[in-house]
Amino acid sequence: RKEVEQDPGPFNVPEGATVAFNCTYSNSASQSFFWYRQDCRKEPKLLMSVYSSGNEDGRFTAQLNRASQYISLLIRDSKLSDSATYLCVANRGSTLGRLYFGRGTQLTVWP
Amino acid sequence: NAGVTQTPKFQVLKTGQSMTLQCAQDMNHNSMYWYRQDPGMGLRLIYYSASEGTTDKGEVPNGYNVSRLNKREFSLRLESAAPSQTSVYFCASRGTGTGLSYNSPLHFGNGTRLTVT
Repeated sequence: RKEVEQDPGPFNVPEGATVAFNCTYSNSASQSFFWYRQDCRKEPKLLMSVYSSGNEDGRFTAQLNRASQYISLLIRDSKLSDSATYLCVANRGSTLGRLYFGRGTQLTVWP
Repeated sequence: NAGVTQTPKFQVLKTGQSMTLQCAQDMNHNSMYWYRQDPGMGLRLIYYSASEGTTDKGEVPNGYNVSRLNKREFSLRLESAAPSQTSVYFCASRGTGTGLSYNSPLHFGNGTRLTVT
């Protein structure tokens, strides 16, 4: 079983829609989590760090459920510019070692 | 504010040739990483260096070597390139100080697009 699993999608939604992505992680020792966005043929860029109480940044809300070992990302009022692949990332333990990436969820927002 | 700089951006090699991908960061980060990304495979870790002076294998280290030259620089070497190493390579770095630095996110370079014929 992969360390981090995501629904690959694709998700195709109209502008203005709300869309949610889930991500599960297998190692209960994972301590910190991130969502990255990656545009086609570009490097991944940090979208949000995920804090234990959940956090919001404008139209984006990230939640962490340690009991069920999943992380979610909610995008409200989708824009065309939100079209990208969203990567879920987990850091195992409490060291600056490996991070584990999901394969990504592809989102297309259409007009 | 350069962040993570990778060179070259593009490279074409013939099978059996060697080359070194260079990576440098100016954020005083402790940890540096090399990933490859192939269609449908996601990002796969090749090697990483949790701190200056240490290196560790990731998921797909075969055919690669790394050198953490100093705190800023982490190079990836292909000794004898193979077509299976055709990929996009990303260098990344993270983490300053101690304590809760595992909360530090990765910062990526722009990538190197390598084709081996």
